[in-house]
Amino acid sequence: AQKITQTQPGMFVQEKEAVTLDCTYDTSDPSYGLFWYKQPSSGEMIFLIYQGSYDQQNATEGRYSLNFQKARKSANLVISASQLGDSAMYFCAMREGIGSQGNLIFGKGTKLSVKP
Amino acid sequence: KAGVTQTPRYLIKTRGQQVTLSCSPISGHRSVSWYQQTPGQGLQFLFEYFSETQRNKGNFPGRFSGRQFSNSRSEMNVSTLELGDSALYLCASSFRLEENTEAFFGQGTRLTVV
Repeated sequence: AQKITQTQPGMFVQEKEAVTLDCTYDTSDPSYGLFWYKQPSSGEMIFLIYQGSYDQQNATEGRYSLNFQKARKSANLVISASQLGDSAMYFCAMREGIGSQGNLIFGKGTKLSVKP
Repeated sequence: KAGVTQTPRYLIKTRGQQVTLSCSPISGHRSVSWYQQTPGQGLQFLFEYFSETQRNKGNFPGRFSGRQFSNSRSEMNVSTLELGDSALYLCASSFRLEENTEAFFGQGTRLTVV
């Protein structure tokens, strides 16, 4: 079974509007971290935001926020006020507790296109 | 503060050759992990090093190997290259191994095997 599922292969959003990228995860480990990365066409993976499984509040970093719903095992990324430079692939990833392998497990990604 | 540096950025090799890729982590980070990214398989974990020791290994054949030096710089080696090894190889640097630790990536090395 997939541990990270991103159901939206591609998304379009109008410039200046908000967009939500979906991510669901599957783990039996009580301690885990959830991450979002942006990958422009240049290839570099850019860290955006992190949410810990024990965090009580949703993470926010500038225009990025994470809608964390633990019971539903979802960690959706919300980008507010989209900019043309936001056009890229977005990956959701999970790192499980130290008892596991501990590596990042990635979803297949969502390609976001921002329209002017 | 310098980010993660991967060299070279681009590489073209012939089937059967071997290749070595290099990764210099963020200063102070002791964990380096490697990932392979292909259009078909997505991002797959290769291995992770912490303080010169391989801590985790993904499901890749023995042709893929790596090591980490005392200054935390890491190299990965692929021997007897196959066409299917063509991919973007990404290196990630972390301060620790715990689940709540961010991983910062380099720009990657794009390997083409012909």
